[in-house]
Amino acid sequence: GENVEQHPSTLSVQEGDSAVIKCTYSDSASNYFPWYKQELGKGPQLIIDIRSNVGEKKDQRIAVTLNKTAKHFSLHITETQPEDSAVYFCAASTPRNQGGKLIFGQGTELSVKP
Amino acid sequence: DAGITQSPRHKVTETGTPVTLRCHQTENHRYMYWYRQDPGHGLRLIHYSYGVKDTDKGEVSDGYSVSRSKTEDFLLTLESATSSQTSVYFCAIRDRDNSPLHFGNGTRLTVT
Repeated sequence: GENVEQHPSTLSVQEGDSAVIKCTYSDSASNYFPWYKQELGKGPQLIIDIRSNVGEKKDQRIAVTLNKTAKHFSLHITETQPEDSAVYFCAASTPRNQGGKLIFGQGTELSVKP
Repeated sequence: DAGITQSPRHKVTETGTPVTLRCHQTENHRYMYWYRQDPGHGLRLIHYSYGVKDTDKGEVSDGYSVSRSKTEDFLLTLESATSSQTSVYFCAIRDRDNSPLHFGNGTRLTVT
């Protein structure tokens, strides 16, 4: 089955700097890759996602890149702000006819210092 | 939170007792999922459902069962709770393959 590895587990940056979180996946059938942000005491919230027919997607300060050949994808946050501090999860999803499961990485705790 | 209600929000129970967690959605979404979240492990899939009475196992299904008799409700049952099942449990829904998952606010379960 699918296995998703996420690094680093913790990341500390200064306000205004960029943050990069990386994930690798094992199942070449995976074709959907969302990123979630989780604040304390709440459920994860989707921040951006990418499908396998796209190599990069951007939404304001957030971007995601996907390399299907290498089976890895990354989250990039530019001009970080203290409110970006949270736990971030990547995930990979296979099509329904091949399982339809969404498997998550272990999470990255991002701390943005003012 | 996308019309998802988890109940109870907190529960403390003793080892060996049965426990049922409920997820209720008002979005009429087809797919429903149960995850558990533990430090160092992220979110691990327990069971999921792709329609009424259609369920399948996830990564960590041992000790858990589920039922989906109506589109809006997905129940997770621990037949005989163990301390290793102490965790935060999240329900999630989505309307089709490869679309975003929307999460509830979780149930914190403590097994003593």
